[in-house]
Amino acid sequence: QVQLQESGPGLVKPSETLSLTCAVSGGSIRSYYWSWIRQPPGKGLEWIGYIYYSGRTNYNPSLKSRVSTSVDTSKNELSLKLSSVTAADTAVYYCARVDYGDYFSLVYWGQGTLVTVSS
Amino acid sequence: DIQMTQSPSSLSASVGDRVTITCRASQSISSYLNWYQQKPGKAPKLLIYAASSLQSGVPSRFSGSGSGTDFTLTISSLQPEDFATYYCQQSYRGFGGGTKVEIK
Repeated sequence: QVQLQESGPGLVKPSETLSLTCAVSGGSIRSYYWSWIRQPPGKGLEWIGYIYYSGRTNYNPSLKSRVSTSVDTSKNELSLKLSSVTAADTAVYYCARVDYGDYFSLVYWGQGTLVTVSS
Repeated sequence: DIQMTQSPSSLSASVGDRVTITCRASQSISSYLNWYQQKPGKAPKLLIYAASSLQSGVPSRFSGSGSGTDFTLTISSLQPEDFATYYCQQSYRGFGGGTKVEIK
C-alpha cells in the first residue's frame, strides 16, 4: 500500500521560505506525477502544483512566482519550497500521488502537515 | 484559468435522503472532473474520477455524471458516514469551493 508522509517545520516566520518534504513508501516515486495541495484552516482546498518524477513541473499561476518543487528518486521523496510567506500561507499542506492518466486523480494522500506563518 | 463553482455551499439532509451536488466549470472540461470527500481532520478521499467512474472501494450509492461544463455528484441514500465536505476538481487544476453536507 502506497503511503505518503509530509514533514517539516510547523512554524515559519513571515518573509521566510517554507520547506516541506513528502516521503513515499510502499511504491516507487518513478513513473508518476505528484501533487501538492494546501488547505487554510476552515477553508477549501487549493492546488499548488504538480511535478513528474523526471522533474517536469506545473504550478498554480497564483503561486508560481514563489513555488518550487523537486523529486529525489534516490530517497523516494518530494519536496516543496514556498518563498516570501505571509500569514495567508498558513495551511495544512498535503502531498498526493496522481493516478488515472489524463484525469489526474489524486488517489493516495499524505495525512497533511499544518504550517503556521507567524513571527 | 478555468473556474470551478460548486452549489450549494452547504446543505442539510437526513439519513436515507437522495443528495445532489452540482459543479460547474467556466468553460468545457470534457470529462476531466474528479470528486472527493473530506471529513474533519482527514485528507480528502477520491470518490469519482473521469466524471462518472467510481473509485475502487467506494460504495455504489455514490455516482457522478455530466460532461462539458455541468457535473453532478449524487448520493442515492445518505448514510451517517456520508456527512462530510465534498469537492469537485478539474483534472490538472483547481478545486471547487466545497459543499458541506450536514445532518438535518
